[in-house]
Amino acid sequence: DTAVSQTPKYLVTQMGNDKSIKCEQNLGHDTMYWYKQDSKKFLKIMFSYNNKELIINETVPNRFSPKSPDKAHLNLHINSLELGDSAVYFCASSLRGGGHETQYFGPGTRLLVL
Amino acid sequence: QKEVEQDPGPLSVPEGAIVSLNCTYSNSAFQYFMWYRQYSRKGPELLMYTYSSGNKEDGRFTAQVDKSSKYISLFIRDSQPSDSATYLCAAGEGGYQKVTFGIGTKLQVIP
Repeated sequence: DTAVSQTPKYLVTQMGNDKSIKCEQNLGHDTMYWYKQDSKKFLKIMFSYNNKELIINETVPNRFSPKSPDKAHLNLHINSLELGDSAVYFCASSLRGGGHETQYFGPGTRLLVL
Repeated sequence: QKEVEQDPGPLSVPEGAIVSLNCTYSNSAFQYFMWYRQYSRKGPELLMYTYSSGNKEDGRFTAQVDKSSKYISLFIRDSQPSDSATYLCAAGEGGYQKVTFGIGTKLQVIP
């Protein structure tokens, strides 16, 4: 049973396209996150949602829009994709969202923008 | 300056060696310190968790935090080829604050 799952695993697309990445967790957690890991392997938080409410919104271009239909799902929609968006995007979840909690990561979505 | 600094390596050691991985941080409000392990093409997973200063041991792994010098360490005894991965240190303030990750140190244990 996969705790945090993401689809798709790989995404290759052209500049200017719009794409979505989906994330689901079956851990019963209240909080979900999106992270971006760039080519240098630096893991940077983008957003967090607690029970469908936006909690953390880092400095991210507004082309990126998260959507949480329920607390088990957090999707990421990216408009007008740019070359610099190429990275691995990780979804994660934690019990309530405290900075002291263990975060459980998904397997990642590898996005390549051509 | 990043809030959590970590040498990206890579670090290569022979099997059986003691490995020392280190991070420094700048935010005095950090109270929770973690080490995540990330295998190639996988998501990070929690390895060790420490609150405030002190040591924590779990099998071959020891995590150490020195808040006075803002220094975080992970020691791996009797390293194994299966320990080859990237190790990310992380720190958090608590509450609903974010967790800040270091860049990760890539470790290779050579048989």
